[in-house]
Amino acid sequence: DQQVKQNSPSLSVQEGRISILNCDYTNSMFDYFLWYKKYPAEGPTFLISISSIKDKNEDGRFTVFLNKSAKHLSLHIVPSQPGDSAVYFCASLPRGNTPLVFGKGTRLSVIA
Amino acid sequence: SQTIHQWPATLVQPVGSPLSLECTVEGTSNPNLYWYRQAAGRGLQLLFYSVGIGQISSEVPQNLSASRPQDRQFILSSKKLLLSDSGFYLCAWSRTGVTGELFFGEGSRLTVL
Repeated sequence: DQQVKQNSPSLSVQEGRISILNCDYTNSMFDYFLWYKKYPAEGPTFLISISSIKDKNEDGRFTVFLNKSAKHLSLHIVPSQPGDSAVYFCASLPRGNTPLVFGKGTRLSVIA
Repeated sequence: SQTIHQWPATLVQPVGSPLSLECTVEGTSNPNLYWYRQAAGRGLQLLFYSVGIGQISSEVPQNLSASRPQDRQFILSSKKLLLSDSGFYLCAWSRTGVTGELFFGEGSRLTVL
């Protein structure tokens, strides 16, 4: 039973345009949400996060939006750059000292 | 600053052989430690996590095991590898009781033939 779902395995976007990566979750007890970026043959690196008490968090070209009623979050990258091409993982943190729950990832390809 | 290292980076092993992947964290104490596996089309699968020395929680039943002999050392082992054990293994750490942000190692690519 997948608690965190990234339904698009891949996404292609033109350089300079907006990339929107989506994530749905099923557990209303999730307290904190994170996005990780992963290049091939490397470990994932933390990108941006959002607490469940907020609906938006922005960091440069990256913005994460949280819609609690829909149990949905999205990552916007504007403008998209070729170096953004990677696999993006959505992750959710339940309350208490328990591990992150990851989605299956979305492979973003930014085409020059 | 904190660093995490895991090794070996690449491993090719025959079916039925043993496995040992090692991970160490520097610059912090009493971290939570994790082993994940990334297999094709399956995202990041949590295998084991540990909140302290000798304390191991297993998330997925399989022929792998984990041990934490020291505060900042985490070892992933198998007595007999299966073909299905092939994948990219990632060690990670997090601070206890904080927002759960994970810091990942470089990864170990295991190919079982």
